[in-house]
Amino acid sequence: NAGVTQTPKFRILKIGQSMTLQCTQDMNHNYMYWYRQDPGMGLKLIYYSVGAGITDKGEVPNGYNVSRSTTEDFPLRLELAAPSQTSVYFCASSYPQGGIYNEQFFGPGTRLTVL
Amino acid sequence: SQKIEQNSEALNIQEGKTATLTCNYTNYSPAYLQWYRQDPGRGPVFLLLIRENEKEKRKERLKVTFDTTLKQSLFHITASQPADSATYLCALPTGGGNKLTFGTGTQLKVEL
Repeated sequence: NAGVTQTPKFRILKIGQSMTLQCTQDMNHNYMYWYRQDPGMGLKLIYYSVGAGITDKGEVPNGYNVSRSTTEDFPLRLELAAPSQTSVYFCASSYPQGGIYNEQFFGPGTRLTVL
Repeated sequence: SQKIEQNSEALNIQEGKTATLTCNYTNYSPAYLQWYRQDPGRGPVFLLLIRENEKEKRKERLKVTFDTTLKQSLFHITASQPADSATYLCALPTGGGNKLTFGTGTQLKVEL
């Protein structure tokens, strides 16, 4: 199993450009998450999904959009990039078994710079 | 509002000593608490989960305690090694969807 994979690893965007951060997991997990991590600020939840076709906002959703058409993929869309979106983005997945919540599995991250 | 606090100052210890990291929380009544390790340039990796009815949990050189009265978890690494150097994050469940809220993490440096 590859686990959670993210592409690209690095990206530089100009203000106002758009891009999609890709996330794929091969563990058949139904829950998936997008976080951003800024220096000294910890992980902040952007959006999450509890299954294909179901998404919901996290703590910091403004400026982002998501979709979940399959169990495996959970892309994150930035429509009009702003310098405030410079960050490291992590995708994660989990599978709560029998009502007992399990750990989240993280991808390697995408480092995004908006200039 | 809910808050998780971890010591933002790096913890420097000598090899072979026990490292103790603290996670304090307010306005939570969590059913469990998780600890993750994060190396530079990488995503967090799960280490341990402890439930509210468990006082202590161990895994190899790792030990976690959970005091729901003090609203605190302690994370211990015994016989620490330079390879244990990393940032350690605690996380608490918040709402449905198996969502977690993470602390800002404490950087541990184990010196020879």
